[in-house]
Amino acid sequence: NAGVMQNPRHLVRRRGQEARLRCSPMKGHSHVYWYRQLPEEGLKFMVYLQKENIIDESGMPKERFSAEFPKEGPSILRIQQVVRGDSAAYFCASSDRFYTGELFFGEGSRLTVL
Amino acid sequence: GIQVEQSPPDLILQEGANSTLRCNFSDSVNNLQWFHQNPWGQLINLFYIPSGTKQNGRLSATTVATERYSLLYISSSQTTDSGVYFCAPGGSQGNLIFGKGTKLSVKP
Repeated sequence: NAGVMQNPRHLVRRRGQEARLRCSPMKGHSHVYWYRQLPEEGLKFMVYLQKENIIDESGMPKERFSAEFPKEGPSILRIQQVVRGDSAAYFCASSDRFYTGELFFGEGSRLTVL
Repeated sequence: GIQVEQSPPDLILQEGANSTLRCNFSDSVNNLQWFHQNPWGQLINLFYIPSGTKQNGRLSATTVATERYSLLYISSSQTTDSGVYFCAPGGSQGNLIFGKGTKLSVKP
């Protein structure tokens, strides 16, 4: 399966712990987007990355959240000191070009904070 | 940023009925996609349609970019069509801006 791969699919953390979500884009794609979906809501854009660069992080909370897309390996969304409000589904999407490319989504990582 | 409005917010259909979902957006776009989020939460690409008309089986979509709207047609609906349909026009960095979705329930 050459689709967008996300792991873990489900993650449970206690308040104050760290959550790390990983995303491997489709083969040949170098553009990665992270979105968050709260229950019963649409997806909200968080951050757009290319290899080794953060292009747009306008949707990401200023504190506790960070993202990277290293030269080798998957993109990682990191949430430090999680709170209950961080409980959500986090989706990753990839594209093969800037601005007009079709985005393909992974199956999401569902974070539950106890 | 781009504002996206989808209508109707909720739709209940009898199996076999047809429906039209509408998406209005506030700015010109170079990208627009329709997705179906199934009851298991998976996002399924339906159409990549920044302009024009496309058809795929019982589904078709039309985007009139100059008038800033897109339509998704579902014909002969089936229970497996149930879920939430999202319209997502493209933002300035290529990211998609999602509407709140249309929640469709198809009854047998």
